[in-house]
Amino acid sequence: KAGVTQTPRYLIKTRGQQVTLSCSPISGHRSVSWYQQTPGQGLQFLFEYFSETQRNKGNFPGRFSGRQFSNSRSEMNVSTLELGDSALYLCASMSGVSTDTQYFGPGTRLTVL
Amino acid sequence: AQSVTQLGSHVSVSEGALVLLRCNYSSSVPPYLFWYVQYPNQGLQLLLKYTSAATLVKGINGFEAEFKKSETSFHLTKPSAHMRDAAEYFCAVIFDSSNDYKLSFGAGTTVTVRA
Repeated sequence: KAGVTQTPRYLIKTRGQQVTLSCSPISGHRSVSWYQQTPGQGLQFLFEYFSETQRNKGNFPGRFSGRQFSNSRSEMNVSTLELGDSALYLCASMSGVSTDTQYFGPGTRLTVL
Repeated sequence: AQSVTQLGSHVSVSEGALVLLRCNYSSSVPPYLFWYVQYPNQGLQLLLKYTSAATLVKGINGFEAEFKKSETSFHLTKPSAHMRDAAEYFCAVIFDSSNDYKLSFGAGTTVTVRA
């Protein structure tokens, strides 16, 4: 099976712009979670989508949003970018059961100038 | 508050020596526990997971971890380090599997292996 893919791998934006990141889960997986990784805050949970519905949400401002499509692909959007949004954004897919493994993609490195 | 603590942000070992990475969690209910590894410019790869079966869990690449409820710990070990083990290691926990499946991560431990 193909792994989790994320596009683009690298992105440079300026403050105030918005950005959309994409994640394609492993075939058959219905859950996609997003995490932000920064040197200062470490790995933090953003949100999880399961069967096109947001099932859980972390403590991030409303500028961070996401959605999931019927084919389980997910997008994450960040509006009004701030310098502090520079991070590695990782998505993880799993079948949907809590004890299942979450498989991570390679991430999208976002740099905000 | 529920938390995950990894003791030691950096660990340096000689090739062939024991690798020991410590992870403690705070929870009154035994959670689901995971260890992930991250190589430079890559995502996270699962090493092993504990889901209330055997307390000693064997993973990939010769790693294993032992769940100790009384110590609320899930330390990762490998008997003999190899140069390819140089990476960052994260302990992760699902605290409330009945309510959500989000992973809560420790701060990570960077392992360097000396020749």
